[in-house]
Amino acid sequence: KQEVTQIPAALSVPEGENLVLNCSFTDSAIYNLQWFRQDPGKGLTSLLLIQSSQREQTSGRLNASLDKSSGRSTLYIAASQPGDSATYLCAVRNSGNTPLVFGKGTRLSVIA
Amino acid sequence: GAVVSQHPSWVICKSGTSVKIECRSLDFQATTMFWYRQFPKQSLMLMATSNEGSKATYEQGVEKDKFLINHASLTLSTLTVTSAHPEDSSFYICSARAPGGTYSNQPQHFGDGTRLSIL
Repeated sequence: KQEVTQIPAALSVPEGENLVLNCSFTDSAIYNLQWFRQDPGKGLTSLLLIQSSQREQTSGRLNASLDKSSGRSTLYIAASQPGDSATYLCAVRNSGNTPLVFGKGTRLSVIA
Repeated sequence: GAVVSQHPSWVICKSGTSVKIECRSLDFQATTMFWYRQFPKQSLMLMATSNEGSKATYEQGVEKDKFLINHASLTLSTLTVTSAHPEDSSFYICSARAPGGTYSNQPQHFGDGTRLSIL
């Protein structure tokens, strides 16, 4: 059974810092991996989707990498801003029509 | 982009009430929708997979008679929490994926969630 772990569980940084969020998964035979953002009491916003054949995806200040063989992904946020404060969720899909399996998330606070 | 609409966004009701939550794909057809539940400071846990025109597949530990799922069309799935009790209070989120091409290449699109509070 696929399990997704995110470290750290919470992170607080001053504005302007670059930061890295980590995600690991137990079954490396994934089809794709998604990073989401969730604001308190809200739904999910998809940030980046990485296919199993890809090594990274970039969108603005966000860069997500994937090392499928080692079961790891990282989300890099450059020049963090207070508006980046949210919970970041990593989720993987194993195969076919299976649903995403989520990690518990990393709660990020960017202090102005 | 693909939009999933979930309604209502917030429900407060008395214990014993049945509550229906709707999930609609607005600009695409979704043969498969997923229902998740999220407790405070916890991750999303899959409850069931809803397939259009057939019975839903429930995850282990989820009572199918408690959480009734109906996926009657390609754009609508409903989750009914029957005889809700305070322990059913949670954040429920639906998700849909557009078919076509390779399933694995299609991202899941999420609704904004429904916060259910049972008094």
